[in-house]
Amino acid sequence: DIQLTQSPSFLSASVGDRVTITCRASQGISSYLAWYQQKPGKAPKFLIYAASTLQSGVPSRFSGSASGTEFTLTISSLQLEDFATYYCQQVKSYPLTFGGGTKVEIK
Amino acid sequence: EVQLLESGGGLVQPGGSLRLSCAASGFTFSTYGLSWVRQAPGKGLEWVSTISGSGDSTYYADSVKGRFTVSRDNSKNTLYLQMSSLRTEDTAVYYCAKHYYHSGGYFSGLDYWGQGTLVTVPS
Repeated sequence: DIQLTQSPSFLSASVGDRVTITCRASQGISSYLAWYQQKPGKAPKFLIYAASTLQSGVPSRFSGSASGTEFTLTISSLQLEDFATYYCQQVKSYPLTFGGGTKVEIK
Repeated sequence: EVQLLESGGGLVQPGGSLRLSCAASGFTFSTYGLSWVRQAPGKGLEWVSTISGSGDSTYYADSVKGRFTVSRDNSKNTLYLQMSSLRTEDTAVYYCAKHYYHSGGYFSGLDYWGQGTLVTVPS
């Protein structure tokens, strides 16, 4: 099974900050990685697919990148509505797996 | 507008059974794979099961294999998850989610999710 390790698990940031979340895969998954945002009590929202392609309607301050088995989600200028938990997911093979999540809180 | 609406959750004793449903609308149901994803209270997301658009292919997490069965009725635009031999660790909100395919038809993620249905298996 492909394991995804997200870091950090928690981060505290201010509005306007640049935020970076990392997701490391235990083996090669090419670009078969998606990112989701989840707010308390809500279903996850699909943000990015193919490691770096923004889903329609997602603000351009979100971006994704990949280097080998390391994937990064960056929020260029954190907004109030971005405080949430973020998850990566590999869709290369079954069983599908998610990272443990990164909770972004207000400093 | 794509909509997914789960139902069937509730309180069930250990060892019991429950069937979840997910009613879909707003897309050509039979052409999309669908997944169940769960989230235990205060925990992260856990993929549970996937079924192909035709229903011919199914996949399960090891944690539910042999106890849960995913199925779909394409004539009713409905996805199901039959859960049996339930354990306390199955307590979670269960979401159904639609597969997204980008150019070339590659599965790329889960683009629409239902609101979730809570399954509680008390200790």
